[in-house]
Amino acid sequence: AAGVIQSPRHLIKEKRETATLKCYPIPRHDTVYWYQQGPGQDPQFLISFYEKMQSDKGSIPDRFSAQQFSDYHSELNMSSLELGDSALYFCASSRGGPDEQFFGPGTRLTVL
Amino acid sequence: KNEVEQSPQNLTAQEGEFITINCSYSVGISALHWLQQHPGGGIVSLFMLSSGKKKHGRLIATINIQEKHSSLHITASHPRDSAVYICAVTSGDSNYQLIWGAGTKLIIKP
Repeated sequence: AAGVIQSPRHLIKEKRETATLKCYPIPRHDTVYWYQQGPGQDPQFLISFYEKMQSDKGSIPDRFSAQQFSDYHSELNMSSLELGDSALYFCASSRGGPDEQFFGPGTRLTVL
Repeated sequence: KNEVEQSPQNLTAQEGEFITINCSYSVGISALHWLQQHPGGGIVSLFMLSSGKKKHGRLIATINIQEKHSSLHITASHPRDSAVYICAVTSGDSNYQLIWGAGTKLIIKP
């Protein structure tokens, strides 16, 4: 069965650079969630999209932006990267509502 | 106080033992999720519950909505069950984003 795809799996950037993370949800899933998990931390909700519209916003810094495209894939754009942005970024998808969220493998971002 | 509390934080057991991980929550929920995170980070959804009990292989999850409590049980535990188990809830007020517990680190020794 198709799963959530995230790319890239690993990314190394310098401070003040930009990064774009991509998430491809399971087919027919219309909702995408982004989470950030710092080293030894709980995942923190960043932002979610339902039917290409932002549906909820969590602790996403102003330096970050995200969108969901017509094919339901989502991109998380991160600018002016800081050392503290080094984390595992998870994307999850669901079919809207309180349906089960399926997680991607994550993108490990390292900011040097 | 965290909205989702798990216990214990760490659990080490011998292979074959029956494992119980508990989760209590303080918010109104539409569903409760049990997730598994292996070293290296991948997160797998084990169960989504809104009432009663679910079973999948050696894993059993129960929820008591009145008491705002859920348990995850592992029967005949095996070293490959070693992982962090996370309880998370979705609240309709929050557009179904997950509110995460701190996780329980489980180590099963052979």
